[in-house]
Amino acid sequence: DAEITQSPRHKITETGRQVTLACHQTWNHNNMFWYRQDLGHGLRLIHYSYGVHDTNKGEVSDGYSVSRSNTEDLPLTLESAASSQTSVYFCASSDSGASGYTFGSGTRLTVV
Amino acid sequence: AQSVTQPDIHITVSEGASLELRCNYSYGATPYLFWYVQSPGQGLQLLLKYFSGDTLVQGIKGFEAEFKRSQSSFNLRKPSVHWSDAAEYFCAVGAGTGGFKTIFGAGTRLFVKA
Repeated sequence: DAEITQSPRHKITETGRQVTLACHQTWNHNNMFWYRQDLGHGLRLIHYSYGVHDTNKGEVSDGYSVSRSNTEDLPLTLESAASSQTSVYFCASSDSGASGYTFGSGTRLTVV
Repeated sequence: AQSVTQPDIHITVSEGASLELRCNYSYGATPYLFWYVQSPGQGLQLLLKYFSGDTLVQGIKGFEAEFKRSQSSFNLRKPSVHWSDAAEYFCAVGAGTGGFKTIFGAGTRLFVKA
């Protein structure tokens, strides 16, 4: 069965370190997205990609970057982790605007 | 700018009772509208969606939602709630070119009393 997987499920890192969160999907979806979920803020879009070599900034992109070298993967990198980036991160994919998203199970990141 | 409002932060209903979760959106064109459910420690799962056609849409797990353009609403309903429905529910609108960028409401947490 097709799926979308995120790794790791939990991560603790120190302030200032570079961290990469993985997202891998086997749906063959062109569109992939990264959101963060925080109490009181719901889900906020960080970055998104409409296909290989395409990346775009979302509403809360500062301090984050993504790259898309193939259809299956969209890793999210925190260049220099900050405590404000402690959050739950969700990756999602979609094949069209009308189809809705398929979400991964999330990565809980704690920056200490 | 596009936005989604879920007026109720949390709702408590008794098992077997009916449920309605409210959602209002702001969007200039005909929107793509969605409801997602999130169980604790899990990702979001799509319950149902509306793009065009019949304004009453059926989803999984016995849920339905009605699109009312005049009220800019897309409320989620279920006739009889089960204890397993306790979760957080998110209304969302597909925005941007092609509707790919989804904007989520803040969510409504549903508690179910025995």
